[in-house]
Amino acid sequence: EAQVTQNPRYLITVTGKKLTVTCSQNMNHEYMSWYRQDPGLGLRQIYYSMNVEVTDKGDVPEGYKVSRKEKRNFPLILESPSPNQTSLYFCASSLGSRDTQYFGPGTRLTVL
Amino acid sequence: QQPVQSPQAVILREGEDAVINCSSSKALYSVHWYRQKHGEAPVFLMILLKGGEQKGHDKISASFNEKKQQSSLYLTASQLSYSGTYFCGTETFNKFYFGSGTKLNVKP
Repeated sequence: EAQVTQNPRYLITVTGKKLTVTCSQNMNHEYMSWYRQDPGLGLRQIYYSMNVEVTDKGDVPEGYKVSRKEKRNFPLILESPSPNQTSLYFCASSLGSRDTQYFGPGTRLTVL
Repeated sequence: QQPVQSPQAVILREGEDAVINCSSSKALYSVHWYRQKHGEAPVFLMILLKGGEQKGHDKISASFNEKKQQSSLYLTASQLSYSGTYFCGTETFNKFYFGSGTKLNVKP
């Protein structure tokens, strides 16, 4: 089954404790993105990747890091999480930047 | 860069029609529409790639006016299953921008 998986689905952590949210897709897509969703603000792109080893900042990249060592995986790293990063995070993949995006189930992160 | 959607929220009775608008101050090269139900991930509805293009499936359709830099989503004879938040989105220089969403509530 074609899908995007994310783990964990829920995470409660404390300020400053490094964490990684994993994202994997099995559709051989080149374009992958991370979004955060906050009430009233819609989905905002954090980082995107055009292909392996090619990543770039989206609209709200501060406080986040990503890597794309393999085509299928695109982890999101918060090196020193802060409470303002409490949000719902979605990973998405598509053939290209203008193609249909397929979203993972989301990760609800709470930073205390 | 974020597209502007209107209205922010709509309440309908089953069978009524709705229009959701999406506009941008920057040139639009393509417009995507997604629907998100509460607690779930956004799901793709359609993409419009050319000015003047119109698309639709079931009773949901959309149009894209490239010159006016706007798109509209039309929901005809709404069903309970249409409830959710609708987002338009657009790509500019490989970055993707979503609008802030329109919450649609269809009541029996």
